[in-house]
Amino acid sequence: GDQVEQSPSALSLHEGTGSALRCNFTTTMRAVQWFRKNSRGSLINLFYLASGTKENGRLKSAFDSKERYSTLHIRDAQLEDSGTYFCAARRGGNYKPTFGKGTSLVVHP
Amino acid sequence: GGIITQTPKFLIGQEGQKLTLKCQQNFNHDTMYWYRQDSGKGLRLIYYSITENDLQKGDLSEGYDASREKKSSFSLTVTSAQKNEMAVFLCASRPLGGGDEQYFGPGTRLTVL
Repeated sequence: GDQVEQSPSALSLHEGTGSALRCNFTTTMRAVQWFRKNSRGSLINLFYLASGTKENGRLKSAFDSKERYSTLHIRDAQLEDSGTYFCAARRGGNYKPTFGKGTSLVVHP
Repeated sequence: GGIITQTPKFLIGQEGQKLTLKCQQNFNHDTMYWYRQDSGKGLRLIYYSITENDLQKGDLSEGYDASREKKSSFSLTVTSAQKNEMAVFLCASRPLGGGDEQYFGPGTRLTVL
């Protein structure tokens, strides 16, 4: 089946620093979505991309369908950014999205 | 904007019990999904429904039943709760055509004693 490899599985950042999360796909995906799980377990939609890049505040995401990857960049990390981040991708014509296993981010003072 | 409502928010069951989780969306979306999320794991698809009256098994359908009662409503039944089971069940929806961005509900947290 379709595979989504998300890395790193865990990430520790100091406040004010930044890093990138990545999802690699074993096949060509039509679109990717990035989520953050909040403290109650709900998924908050961060980005949906069918191509290119999107930016929202301190977050920026890119998706390259041909090269089979997507990234989520976090800059100037804040304590409230801590949580688990997931990517999910779907092939065209397939209704079943595949999720990565998540990246657990902890931001330290 | 629309909203997805999941009930109950917290569900405590006994081993062997049949438990039903409900999901309602007012986006008028065609496709609805049920996922299970266990600690330290990604989301796993249990059942999905492409349109009203449709039902498709996901990767984790064994031990579950689902019902798409109407376009706005999608229920999931745990047929026999497993002892010490703990997971969050997430419902999602998306439109059939156009953009395929998924929208998620707040989740139901299940604990089996």
